[in-house]
Amino acid sequence: DADVTQTPRNRITKTGKRIMLECSQTKGHDRMYWYRQDPGLGLRLIYYSFDVKDINKGEISDGYSVSRQAQAKFSLSLESAIPNQTALYFCATSDPDRHNEQFFGPGTRLTVL
Amino acid sequence: AQTVTQSQPEMSVQEAETVTLSCTYDTSESDYYLFWYKQPPSRQMILVIRQEAYKQQNATENRFSVNFQKAAKSFSLKISDSQLGDAAMYFCAYRSGGGTSYGKLTFGQGTILTVHP
Repeated sequence: DADVTQTPRNRITKTGKRIMLECSQTKGHDRMYWYRQDPGLGLRLIYYSFDVKDINKGEISDGYSVSRQAQAKFSLSLESAIPNQTALYFCATSDPDRHNEQFFGPGTRLTVL
Repeated sequence: AQTVTQSQPEMSVQEAETVTLSCTYDTSESDYYLFWYKQPPSRQMILVIRQEAYKQQNATENRFSVNFQKAAKSFSLKISDSQLGDAAMYFCAYRSGGGTSYGKLTFGQGTILTVHP
């Protein structure tokens, strides 16, 4: 079984809809991240969390919110989706005992019409 | 803030040949890590190689090696004996070594590598 899972893998939604992307991990890592990937821009950090009580904005947090329900779960929400949020979204965890090596989920392809 | 630049949107190589992907970065920090990630069509992000800034020796992993030029802030990836399975998007990434970095990565724009049989 995969160590970092994301649901859904693909999603098409309409402008104005609320949508939640979920991430779960079995690696036991405290640190979790949400990135978004756009063509020509690479991956950019949306939010990150050091533990359940520590949540921080990344470089492109506007229009997004997150919830760290437990050590193993970190959800990303789009309260009112817009077309320019169409992207590939990745969840990741990191292991401070291994140089903070990041472990990525399989990604969620989100399309906002 | 740190920036990472990959100036080659696309590269191609013949199978069994060698190719080098370029990456430059900008930072005022002395303690940091650099990475190359591979993203095949499956979308999975796969760590290819890691370089610690304090190490002068260039990292190698089988057919993959880096040329780390700290003063020039350059971090290129060399793929030797290219294989069809090497075809993917490659991302260069930077991470601060400081404790307050939270392990965050800053990525370059990516380079699409095509391998011709």
